[in-house]
Amino acid sequence: GNSVTQMEGPVTLSEEAFLTINCTYTATGYPSLFWYVQYPGEGLQLLLKATKADDKGSNKGFEATYRKETTSFHLEKGSVQVSDSAVYFCALSANNNDMRFGAGTRLTVKP
Amino acid sequence: DTGVSQDPRHKITKRGQNVTFRCDPISEHNRLYWYRQTLGQGPEFLTYFQNEAQLEKSRLLSDRFSAERPKGSFSTLEIQRTEQGDSAMYLCASSQRQGYLETQYFGPGTRLLVL
Repeated sequence: GNSVTQMEGPVTLSEEAFLTINCTYTATGYPSLFWYVQYPGEGLQLLLKATKADDKGSNKGFEATYRKETTSFHLEKGSVQVSDSAVYFCALSANNNDMRFGAGTRLTVKP
Repeated sequence: DTGVSQDPRHKITKRGQNVTFRCDPISEHNRLYWYRQTLGQGPEFLTYFQNEAQLEKSRLLSDRFSAERPKGSFSTLEIQRTEQGDSAMYLCASSQRQGYLETQYFGPGTRLLVL
């Protein structure tokens, strides 16, 4: 079945460090891929998405490229801020009615 | 439009009691989803509606759980005879399918604690 595997956390970085959170997927067909962010006590917010191979999603300095050949959608940011501290979820939607999420990666950015 | 809203944000109940949660989707969205999220995990799909029709239910949705969307707008999720294992965050999401593309937008969630 469809599934998402993402890098286990927690991840702790200093402010202005480079961030990578790995995400790989297994799916039939051509899924859409997403990164969601969850701040403490809140629901999920869409961070970025990509709907076909080689698409790059970007938002708020975060980027992720849909790599069909490696079935990956790694999240990157060149310079993290304390305000980026949150839990990040990679997700896929392959048939538009059953979104599958990874287990989440907790990021803590220290000043 | 203020996005997806959920009520209440927090609920504490005693084992065996019934609870009901409400979700108001983004107004033009015809699809509505319910998910459950336990600590340290990603959301798990429970059920979804297209307009007022409930089209799919997960095996996670036991017979103690029921969801409705009577007029194709807001939805309710009821849990009867709650158990401690029901303690979780219950998330609602809505979307509007455009061709084969769809993006789900989530509400803030209802955190349930069963004592």
